[in-house]
Amino acid sequence: GQSLEQPSEVTAVEGAIVQINCTYQTSGFYGLSWYQQHDGGAPTFLSYNALDGLEETGRFSSFLSRSDSYGYLLLQELQMKDSASYFCAVRVMDSSYKLIFGSGTRLLVRP
Amino acid sequence: GAGVSQSPSNKVTEKGKDVELRCDPISGHTALYWYRQSLGQGLEFLIYFQGNSAPDKSGLPSDRFSAERTGGSVSTLTIQRTQQEDSAVYLCASSPELASGEQYFGPGTRLTVT
Repeated sequence: GQSLEQPSEVTAVEGAIVQINCTYQTSGFYGLSWYQQHDGGAPTFLSYNALDGLEETGRFSSFLSRSDSYGYLLLQELQMKDSASYFCAVRVMDSSYKLIFGSGTRLLVRP
Repeated sequence: GAGVSQSPSNKVTEKGKDVELRCDPISGHTALYWYRQSLGQGLEFLIYFQGNSAPDKSGLPSDRFSAERTGGSVSTLTIQRTQQEDSAVYLCASSPELASGEQYFGPGTRLTVT
C-alpha cells in the first residue's frame, strides 16, 4: 500500500520562506504532486516531480528524492493569500494513475 | 475554457435516501476520477474512468456506491441508502492524458446526511 506523512500545521510570517515536507511509503509511483486548497475550494495543481531534483515555478519550488522517500514544497516570499492547505500526492504505478493524497498541511501566514 | 463542473454544490438528505452526484469534466479529457474528502482530511480515491469504462473501482467503500460515465463525458456517482458516515465533500477530477501529472478538480458536492 501507500502512505504519506505531512505536518498537520505550519505557521510563517508574510515575506518569509516555508518548507512543507512529505515522506512517503509506497511500492512504486510515477511522481509526486503538490496541490493547494483554500477553505471551501477545489484542490489546484501546483507542481509535479517525476524525477529527483528541484522543480521551480515562480515562488513555489518542489523537490523529490526517491532514495530518501522524501519530498518538499518550498514557498518563497509568502503572501497572506498563501494561507491554505497543501497536499502532497503520489501517482500510483498502476493503470489508473490515481493520486493517493497525504492528509494535508494547513499553512497560516501571519502579517 | 470551462473547467470541471459538479452539481449540486450542496446536498442535504435524510439517512436511507439515495443521492446522485454529477460531474462534467473538461471537454476532451479522457480520464475522470472521483474522490471523497472528509472535514480536515486528505482526499480519498473512489473510482477512475477511462472513457466510459471503470477499470479501477477499488476505492468505492461499499456496494451502496456506484458510478457511471456516458459518452466519454458526464459522470454520475450514486449513493444508495445513504448513511451518516457518507457525509463528506465529493470531488471530481479530470485529466487530459494518463501520463500527465496534473488533475483538474471540480468545486465538489458537499453531502450532508441527517
